[in-house]
Amino acid sequence: SQQGEEDPQALSIQEGENATMNCSYKTSINNLQWYRQNSGRGLVHLILIRSNEREKHSGRLRVTLDTSKKSSSLLITASRAADTASYFCATGVNNNAGNMLTFGGGTRLMVKP
Amino acid sequence: AAGVIQSPRHLIKEKRETATLKCYPIPRHDTVYWYQQGPGQDPQFLISFYEKMQSDKGSIPDRFSAQQFSDYHSELNMSSLELGDSALYFCASSQYGTDKLFFGSGTQLSVL
Repeated sequence: SQQGEEDPQALSIQEGENATMNCSYKTSINNLQWYRQNSGRGLVHLILIRSNEREKHSGRLRVTLDTSKKSSSLLITASRAADTASYFCATGVNNNAGNMLTFGGGTRLMVKP
Repeated sequence: AAGVIQSPRHLIKEKRETATLKCYPIPRHDTVYWYQQGPGQDPQFLISFYEKMQSDKGSIPDRFSAQQFSDYHSELNMSSLELGDSALYFCASSQYGTDKLFFGSGTQLSVL
């Protein structure tokens, strides 16, 4: 079963607006990460939040984590056309050797100039 | 800064052929992960290696195998290719004890 599921699947906004994407997961995690992917390209790490953290900021990005609800949200403020991409949440579980990530379904964000 | 290098960037094969994908992790990274992303799908974890030993196994078909070599590079071997194997294959690396994965640009495999 899918660990992380994202909502909405697609989002279209005007430049300058804020974009909020949500992610839900099912099992216990050590951390949750958000990645960005331009069409057909590699995954770029945006931000990581640990299970004992509730909110984290990085530039125009704000991530929240609610472990009681098993959910996270990514807020991109003052969006730009260059933010157009797919955004994935990934839940991380530390094991014997590393941090295995399980990705959610992704949100396709389009920012119109 | 050096990133994760994957080769080839694109690969076209026919059904029942074999393919080998290569991944060169960031220097001093000891853990390698392989993911498969079908068209319009989210990346699915296949397999990972730490210090040249398999550490986790996901939804990797029996037709696929992988290994990590002494120089930490990894290869994903795919045999008896099927049309459904057409996907973007990502490799990622990390340093043991850290949680952030660094992804390569991927290999686009097309099976005709």
